[in-house]
Amino acid sequence: DIQMTQSPASLSASLEEIVTITCQASQDIGNWLAWYQQKPGKSPQLLIHSATSLADGIPSRFSGSRSGTQYSLKISRLQVEDTGIYYCLQRYSKNTFGAGTKLELK
Amino acid sequence: EVQLVESGGGLVQPGRSLKLSCAASGFTFSNYYMAWVRQAPKKGLEWVATISTSGSRTYYPDSVKGRFTISRDNAKSSLYLQMNSLKSEDTATYYCARDNNYFDYWGQGVMVTVSS
Repeated sequence: DIQMTQSPASLSASLEEIVTITCQASQDIGNWLAWYQQKPGKSPQLLIHSATSLADGIPSRFSGSRSGTQYSLKISRLQVEDTGIYYCLQRYSKNTFGAGTKLELK
Repeated sequence: EVQLVESGGGLVQPGRSLKLSCAASGFTFSNYYMAWVRQAPKKGLEWVATISTSGSRTYYPDSVKGRFTISRDNAKSSLYLQMNSLKSEDTATYYCARDNNYFDYWGQGVMVTVSS
């Protein structure tokens, strides 16, 4: 089974700061990767799909990138509404979520 | 507007069964794969099942294979999850999701608690 190692587990950042979250796949998954944001008590929301494509209605400060089997989500200028838990998801073989990154404001 | 509304959750004893439902609207249900994803309390997300557009193909992780069955009724735009031989570790919020290569729309979730 494909494992997704997500880091960091938690992160505290200031407004307007650049934030980067990464997921390392245990094997090649191509571009079959998505990023989700989940706020407390809510269902997850799709941010990025196909590793780098912004989902409909998502602000352009969110972006995704890939380097080999390492995938990154970048928030270019952190806003208050960006706090929450972020998950990566691989869809190359079955489905595996990363363990999540809790993002808080400093 | 795409809407997915789950129902059927509740408290159930270990070893018993429960069936979840998901009512879909706002899109042509029969054109999309559908899935269930769960989240144990204070834990991360875990994919539970996926079903093809016609229902002829189903997919499960090892953790639920043989105990859970996903099904759909395209005439009713409804998705189901039959859960048998429930265990305490199945306690979670269960989300219905549209599978459009990615899980692009999610329901609000329904809580299932397995406890004696």
